[in-house]
Amino acid sequence: AQSVAQPEDQVNVAEGNPLTVKCTYSVSGNPYLFWYVQYPNRGLQFLLKYITGDNLVKGSYGFEAEFNKSQTSFHLKKPSALVSDSALYFCAVRALNSGNTPLVFGKGTRLSVIA
Amino acid sequence: SAVISQKPSRDICQRGTSLTIQCQVDSQVTMMFWYRQQPGQSLTLIATANQGSEATYESGFVIDKFPISRPNLTFSTLTVSNMSPEDSSIYLCSVGAGRHNEQFFGPGTRLTVL
Repeated sequence: AQSVAQPEDQVNVAEGNPLTVKCTYSVSGNPYLFWYVQYPNRGLQFLLKYITGDNLVKGSYGFEAEFNKSQTSFHLKKPSALVSDSALYFCAVRALNSGNTPLVFGKGTRLSVIA
Repeated sequence: SAVISQKPSRDICQRGTSLTIQCQVDSQVTMMFWYRQQPGQSLTLIATANQGSEATYESGFVIDKFPISRPNLTFSTLTVSNMSPEDSSIYLCSVGAGRHNEQFFGPGTRLTVL
């Protein structure tokens, strides 16, 4: 069975500082990994994905994520946080060769960037 | 990519009534998914809807409570029946599209049941 763990309910960071939102996963076979962001009263917006290739994936709004197979992690990072990055972030996974099956989501991490 | 719209965007309903949520996609897709997001929580998959066949429901969700229609490859509806305050949630439509069946989401329907 597939699963995603986001160990932090809340992450607080000062504006201008680097941020990390953690995600670990469990899947049979190779993973297909996503990060989504949800702003207040909005749907989910795609940030970035990892399929194969470079372990460092760059996405929207200056975010990036590092795939680490040995640690089964896919942490989301940004070098310099903005107040506008404050939102709810979801990590999601499914097995790469599982066809058109739905993603499994983590519980979400609320990021608060303080000016 | 796929662009998804949902109607209504939000509604306030009385206990015991039903609400039908519509999901429209700008391209033909095989699979559509319906999720529920309760306040402050993650997404929970309700069901998977394939055109031309009955929806497949996840554990804890039943067709009588959440009937789904999928009349064609660009449209689906989810009905929340006999609503109670516990049904107050955001309901999200999602589709798989693209080379790797990436998943795209609609803006959601925010439902409040009084």
